[in-house]
Amino acid sequence: ETGVTQTPRHLVMGMTNKKSLKCEQHLGHNAMYWYKQSAKKPLELMFVYNFKEQTENNSVPSRFSPECPNSSHLFLHLHTLQPEDSALYLCASSHLYSGSNEQFFGPGTRLTVL
Amino acid sequence: AQSVTQLGSHVSVSEGALVLLRCNYSSSVPPYLFWYVQYPNQGLQLLLKYTSAATLVKGINGFEAEFKKSETSFHLTKPSAHMRDAAEYFCAVTFDNYGQNFVFGPGTRLSVLP
Repeated sequence: ETGVTQTPRHLVMGMTNKKSLKCEQHLGHNAMYWYKQSAKKPLELMFVYNFKEQTENNSVPSRFSPECPNSSHLFLHLHTLQPEDSALYLCASSHLYSGSNEQFFGPGTRLTVL
Repeated sequence: AQSVTQLGSHVSVSEGALVLLRCNYSSSVPPYLFWYVQYPNQGLQLLLKYTSAATLVKGINGFEAEFKKSETSFHLTKPSAHMRDAAEYFCAVTFDNYGQNFVFGPGTRLSVLP
């Protein structure tokens, strides 16, 4: 158990669908992240939220829309995705200013876009 | 920009043999360094981290890593491989005290042969 949960674990969607990925952290952290993990490519940081405020958007297409209603929850809203968006989407969290700077990861959502 | 290289996308060892996974980073300033492990269908789990306290760092599951500034390296070792060590291993760096702006290496898949 890492203290970071993600739902659903698997998702298959068509290019015209709208779906959302959910991440919840039970660690009392104040920063949350979305990463994309594609086959044969390094982890790509997509979004960073500190204290619920988005601080980074690494040139992610607008068909990915993040939402962070509070420090414990993070969503990734998906619409009109492309087959190349199929990947494992990982959520992570960390605690700013605690002196411990590692990130804790959830199990990921395996997304397949048909 | 900082980068992380991991020599060998796939490493195979026999059970009981030494495990050596290589990681080099590009920077003139020593970063914070991490090794994460990813088991099939799971997220990333922290194995160990270097934060300038000691150059030889011991982690979980019998792994350790040594920071060598002169070689800009942080190689991961384990004296005796076990079947359960088969996984993907990622080296990561950050220059950030707050646990953000991680740069991950491409990963090394470790296979353990009986």
